[in-house]
Amino acid sequence: QSALTQPASVSGSPGQSITISCTGTSSDVGGYNYVSWYQQHPGKAPKLMIYDVSNRPSGVSNRFSGSKSGNTASLTISGLQAEDEAVYYCNSYTSSIFYVFGTGTKVTVL
Amino acid sequence: QVQLQESGPGLVEPSQTLSLTCTVSGGSISSGHYYWSWIRQPAGKGLEWIGRIYTSGSTNYNPSLKSRVTISVDTSKNQFSLKLSSVTAADTAVYYCARSWGGNSYWFDPWGQGTLVTVSS
Repeated sequence: QSALTQPASVSGSPGQSITISCTGTSSDVGGYNYVSWYQQHPGKAPKLMIYDVSNRPSGVSNRFSGSKSGNTASLTISGLQAEDEAVYYCNSYTSSIFYVFGTGTKVTVL
Repeated sequence: QVQLQESGPGLVEPSQTLSLTCTVSGGSISSGHYYWSWIRQPAGKGLEWIGRIYTSGSTNYNPSLKSRVTISVDTSKNQFSLKLSSVTAADTAVYYCARSWGGNSYWFDPWGQGTLVTVSS
């Protein structure tokens, strides 16, 4: 089972919107609506931002939204803020090993 | 709210067994419909799911590690544990414990703060 593919880096200016993609296969992202997204600041544990493709846990800003089309899931951050600078990981259920993570995307706020 | 805390040796010799414990506070490990997972992250790299356990003792492991991994639970202590045998330098990583939903949804929340385990002689 290979890791899901994410761009290594994405950047944007404060106030802008950015989108991070997460590409898998029909055996993971495309086959199930079980994609989740995690934010990880340096030296910290990951934090759940989106689950089941587009659901936000309580307490997560509505500037974060998720979607999916075919084998690619996406995380959009609108109204980019300095505190959003972090590494973001996607995760999907997969029939082979239950959970597979993405390669990670570093978000830089210019 | 539920909090998780990893504990265990920070240094393990090659070929030995890595042992970590995750203590759950703020709620019973047996309540609700949850699995309890271990996840690791080598320095500067991505996340890898190791395995999970339900409070009944039912386990699932990443096939890439299955031959070396054992996850167990002690409900009386509100803890679950990880054992990884025959470790090498490639097992050096930050190890996280996390809660995941036991129903038809697959996510991890919350996570422990993580503990660095270095494999070296």
